[in-house]
Amino acid sequence: GENVEQHPSTLSVQEGDSAVIKCTYSDSASNYFPWYKQELGKRPQLIIDIRSNVGEKKDQRIAVTLNKTAKHFSLHITETQPEDSAVYFCAASVTGYQKVTFGTGTKLQVIP
Amino acid sequence: EAGVTQFPSHSVIEKGQTVTLRCDPISGHDNLYWYRRVMGKEIKFLLHFVKESKQDESGMPNNRFLAERTGGTYSTLKVQPAELEDSGVYFCASSQEGGINSPLHFGNGTRLTVT
Repeated sequence: GENVEQHPSTLSVQEGDSAVIKCTYSDSASNYFPWYKQELGKRPQLIIDIRSNVGEKKDQRIAVTLNKTAKHFSLHITETQPEDSAVYFCAASVTGYQKVTFGTGTKLQVIP
Repeated sequence: EAGVTQFPSHSVIEKGQTVTLRCDPISGHDNLYWYRRVMGKEIKFLLHFVKESKQDESGMPNNRFLAERTGGTYSTLKVQPAELEDSGVYFCASSQEGGINSPLHFGNGTRLTVT
């Protein structure tokens, strides 16, 4: 089955700096890669996703990149703000299948 | 629209007791999922319902866990008897359709502590 690894497990950055979270996956059939943000005590929420026919996707201060050959995908947050502090989960799945495999999460702390 | 709701938000039970978690998906969502996160680890898939049918229960840890979705609306997840390693946050999620066009909508989770 699919295995998703996520690094780092914790990340502290100064407000205004950039943050990068990296994930790798094992199943070459995976073609959908969502990212979820979980604020303290709240539910995980989808913040951005990317499909395997796209190499990069941006939405304001966040961007995701995908390298299918290397089976790597990353989340980039620019100009970080305190409200970006949360746990971020990467995930992978195969179109047509419902089972989404998550990474272990990255706790991001943005220091004001 | 109302989101996915889970009850209770917290549960503390002793080893050997029984606990039942409930999930109400978003109205009209046929797909319902249970996930669990043990401290510091991944959000791990437990099972998936399509309406009232179990589509995939490959993630269920053992036969102490029983999930039901009678009538294809809300779902329950029963743990009987509970063990220490069952502690964690149990998330329910729902989606309208299958595949990548229907992202998962999560509930707030039930934090289960087995002592």
